[in-house]
Amino acid sequence: DTAVSQTPKYLVTQMGNDKSIKCEQNLGHDTMYWYKQDSKKFLKIMFSYNNKELIINETVPNRFSPKSPDKAHLNLHINSLELGDSAVYFCASSRPRGDEAFFGQGTRLTVV
Amino acid sequence: AQSVTQLGSHVSVSEGALVLLRCNYSSSVPPYLFWYVQYPNQGLQLLLKYTSAATLVKGINGFEAEFKKSETSFHLTKPSAHMSDAAEYFCAVRGLGNEKLTFGTGTRLTIIP
Repeated sequence: DTAVSQTPKYLVTQMGNDKSIKCEQNLGHDTMYWYKQDSKKFLKIMFSYNNKELIINETVPNRFSPKSPDKAHLNLHINSLELGDSAVYFCASSRPRGDEAFFGQGTRLTVV
Repeated sequence: AQSVTQLGSHVSVSEGALVLLRCNYSSSVPPYLFWYVQYPNQGLQLLLKYTSAATLVKGINGFEAEFKKSETSFHLTKPSAHMSDAAEYFCAVRGLGNEKLTFGTGTRLTIIP
């Protein structure tokens, strides 16, 4: 069983479109995250949810909106996609403070 | 705020040689420190973590790291490199009570046959 699973793995779309990435974890963790990895491999946190409540919201354009229907799911919706949104997006989950995060396989988003 | 600095964006070692990847941290509170590995087109996998127990931490695949408070360092080592170790390695830090895991810029490890 995959601990943290993301769909889709690859996403190619045109500028201006709206797309969603789904994430599910079966580890029973309360905290979930979205990270963005750019072309230089730099990883930056975007959002964090704890038990469906938003606790971290870094400086991310309003076009990005996370949704957590329950503590096992954290989806990312992106409106009006731009070329600069092209990146790999990772979902992760963890137990509370101090513990490691478990990562999904990533979603490679390419905006053309 | 917590941060980590990884010295050397690219490191090349010969197969069988010592691997040393450097990480220095900055934290105003006792940190939790992690090393993750990322193989091409894959997610991040935890190698090892320091959570204030033993200062020498052993991880998977023969890797280990030593927490040195006096040097604010958490360098990753492996006595003998294997071809399968070629990957991107990330050091990360989380402060006590902080939900955010902050990553370094990564070090690409290349193994020379």
